[in-house]
Amino acid sequence: QVQLVESGGGLVKPGGSLRLSCAASGFTFSDYYMSWIRQAPGKGLEWVSYISSSSSYTNYADSVKGRFTISRDNAKNSLYLQMNSLRAEDTAVYYCARSYSYALDYWGQGTLVTVSS
Amino acid sequence: QAVLTQPSSLSASPGASASLTCTLRSGINVGTYRIYWYQQKPGSPPQYLLRYKSDSDKQQGSGVPSRFSGSKDASANAGILLISGLQSEDEADYYCMIWHSSAYVFGTGTKVTVL
Repeated sequence: QVQLVESGGGLVKPGGSLRLSCAASGFTFSDYYMSWIRQAPGKGLEWVSYISSSSSYTNYADSVKGRFTISRDNAKNSLYLQMNSLRAEDTAVYYCARSYSYALDYWGQGTLVTVSS
Repeated sequence: QAVLTQPSSLSASPGASASLTCTLRSGINVGTYRIYWYQQKPGSPPQYLLRYKSDSDKQQGSGVPSRFSGSKDASANAGILLISGLQSEDEADYYCMIWHSSAYVFGTGTKVTVL
């Protein structure tokens, strides 16, 4: 069965960096686009970034453009999100999700990122 | 103005039908978009329910009961998620989503309470 497991979250100071990982299993990872989506405490869903199956295409929400970088390693079935210059408003649960025909059809359980001094 | 607007809450009785709307911002025509719907229960990630563009272009998520269905109201420029035979387990937050300008856009979310 499809499994997505995020890791790497934690407490970081404003201006700091963090790298999130998402380990995928149960499907051919290299065939699918992948995305990161976040959810601030008590708030709605916000798409963060996506990456194409071969890493040829990426895109970012305006709120993170220039600070976050998405990448993947198809040999390791892993997705990453490098987050730099973190701000308090980046505090959220970060989910990775698989994209199938543009639907985000499977999601991980999420990892919490807290940006606070 | 948000790209996708949903009512913040909706209450209904068990066994009733609930119609959740997702209104697209003026200038964005609902007819040209696939609308995706997600259910999120407290402490859990969102679960994909279905997508709807038209009766000939729709898809149910894996394992999603047929009492969840999609439609559109072109006159209101809105996508609709219909939940028939509401059950207590349907109590959750529901989000709509579209693919717009090379990005995913989520709606503001509707909290459904089953009284």
